[in-house]
Amino acid sequence: AQTVTQSQPEMSVQEAETVTLSCTYDTSESDYYLFWYKQPPSRQMILVIRQEAYKQQNATENRFSVNFQKAAKSFSLKISDSQLGDAAMYFCAYRSYNTDKLIFGTGTRLQVFP
Amino acid sequence: DVKVTQSSRYLVKRTGEKVFLECVQDMDHENMFWYRQDPGLGLRLIYFSYDVKMKEKGDIPEGYSVSREKKERFSLILESASTNQTSMYLCASSLGSAGERGNQPQHFGDGTRLSIL
Repeated sequence: AQTVTQSQPEMSVQEAETVTLSCTYDTSESDYYLFWYKQPPSRQMILVIRQEAYKQQNATENRFSVNFQKAAKSFSLKISDSQLGDAAMYFCAYRSYNTDKLIFGTGTRLQVFP
Repeated sequence: DVKVTQSSRYLVKRTGEKVFLECVQDMDHENMFWYRQDPGLGLRLIYFSYDVKMKEKGDIPEGYSVSREKKERFSLILESASTNQTSMYLCASSLGSAGERGNQPQHFGDGTRLSIL
């Protein structure tokens, strides 16, 4: 069975700085998808960024980018120019090619200080 | 934009009660999901439905059942509520893309914080 591990329960960053959130996963599959979701205090889970395993190029969405290392089974999220509104819980998630179900990590709480 | 609406933000019930949590989506999505979110445990899948009247158990189905009579509505039922079911419950929906080249994300509701006293 696949598992997703987020080893940093909490992280903090100063406004305008860069922070990297870690995610590793365990799978024997070669084809899958990876996601980062953000859950602000308002509670609604929002998709931040997604990566297809068959694509070598790392996904980027504005200030958010990933470092996808398929061989190492690592999928970290980099947030550049951090803003106060980035403060939230961040969840890493895995999806096999042949299912629509997600497997989530335990989350990382990010604090942003002015 | 996809809208996933959960009927209650906060709910307080008593042990032994039958509890219904309702979820409605407005984007004609095939898939609907119920998760439970607890601190330090992340999100755990309770049940998944991939079509009307079709359901599949997730990782923690014990004590729960679901109903999907219409495509847009997915209900989570606590048959006899217990204090260990106090939690945040999240509903999500997505287009079906299993086995296809397509990376459909799940869209989430605001969550229902359920307290069982």
